[in-house]
Amino acid sequence: AQSVTQLGSHVSVSEGALVLLRCNYSSSVPPYLFWYVQYPNQGLQLLLKYTSAATLVKGINGFEAEFKKSETSFHLTKPSAHMSDAAEYFCAARGTDKLIFGTGTRLQVFP
Amino acid sequence: NAGVTQTPKFRILKIGQSMTLQCTQDMNHNYMYWYRQDPGMGLKLIYYSVGAGITDKGEVPNGYNVSRSTTEDFPLRLELAAPSQTSVYFCASLRGPSTDTQYFGPGTRLTVL
Repeated sequence: AQSVTQLGSHVSVSEGALVLLRCNYSSSVPPYLFWYVQYPNQGLQLLLKYTSAATLVKGINGFEAEFKKSETSFHLTKPSAHMSDAAEYFCAARGTDKLIFGTGTRLQVFP
Repeated sequence: NAGVTQTPKFRILKIGQSMTLQCTQDMNHNYMYWYRQDPGMGLKLIYYSVGAGITDKGEVPNGYNVSRSTTEDFPLRLELAAPSQTSVYFCASLRGPSTDTQYFGPGTRLTVL
């Protein structure tokens, strides 16, 4: 069965620092992978998605993620954190008829 | 194009009461989902539907019921509310089982006292 693992339930960075949120997947078939962001008291919205067209995927708000098959990873990065990036981030993989979500990583950004 | 809408936004129930959480999407999506999110936790799938007239259980279906009589609507029914059902409920929709984006509603915050 497919599964998605997000390492680190909380990540704290200073404003301007690199953001790295980790996601690993297990799948016996080429996966479709997604990153979603949830701002406080809101629903989830798509940041970016991997559909096998390119291994480096660029999303909204300066985020990007790189698909590495050899490492079964799809880590999310942003070169310079902004206060407005503080949110919960969910990695997900396409399963049969539904998305398989990771448990989420809460990103805190300190001034 | 409103996307996925949910009503109500907030609700307080007493133990044993029942209610229906409404979810509507105007994107003609075949797939619809109900999740719950407990404080500090991830999403847990309650029920989902791959088309009108078809529903299936997710990870945590106990205490809930759904129906899908139209493509647009996917209501979630709580028959006998319990404190363990205090949560934020999200509805979502998806066009098809591919690389399409899953769209989420804004959520319903439910408290059972």
